[in-house]
Amino acid sequence: DVVLTQTPPTLSATIGQSVSISCRSSQSLLHSNGNTYLNWLLQRPGQPPQLLIYLVSRLESGVPNRFSGSGSGTDFTLKISGVEAEDLGVYYCVQSTHAPFTFGSGTKLEIK
Amino acid sequence: EVQLKESGPGLVQPSQTLSLTCTVSGFSLTDYSVHWVRQPPGKGLEWMGVMWSGGSTAYNSALKSRLSISRDTSKSQVFLKMNSLQTEDTAIYYCTRGPYWGQGVMVTVSS
Repeated sequence: DVVLTQTPPTLSATIGQSVSISCRSSQSLLHSNGNTYLNWLLQRPGQPPQLLIYLVSRLESGVPNRFSGSGSGTDFTLKISGVEAEDLGVYYCVQSTHAPFTFGSGTKLEIK
Repeated sequence: EVQLKESGPGLVQPSQTLSLTCTVSGFSLTDYSVHWVRQPPGKGLEWMGVMWSGGSTAYNSALKSRLSISRDTSKSQVFLKMNSLQTEDTAIYYCTRGPYWGQGVMVTVSS
């Protein structure tokens, strides 16, 4: 199974600070069809996860453009350019290139 | 409007079978796949399996021997059955379709 390693496990940021989260895969997530099925989710406390980014860098409808995704192959990054209070929660990367699909272990973002 | 809603028992005894239903609206199960994901209290997300739009399934390797996913397209429902439950199966169980998630159902395994 594909293992996704997320770092850091926790992140503390002030409002307005820019932060990045890394997601590294144990194997390439490039599908034979040319797509890379790596998504980013945010789970706010007490809520189901919310899709932020799909296909590495595509912003889900309604998601603020301070969120951006990048990467290829086995290395991916989620960046928040100017953290806001509502961004607190746990961020997960998830891959659906290879079955079984797998999640990263999560990065908890705290607001200072 | 796309919606997914999980339903099922909140409490299951150890060694028993869990049966959950995901009722969807706003789309057809023959057009989109539906996944099951679970989350033990205070822990991360675990992908369990998927009902593909074509009717086939795929499962988490660690759960495959205990897990079955099926559907009734006429009722817009996807079913999860997992046997031999243990306390470590206590979790919130979600069904999801891409950007859409149900609110989840909390299942506690306890005698």
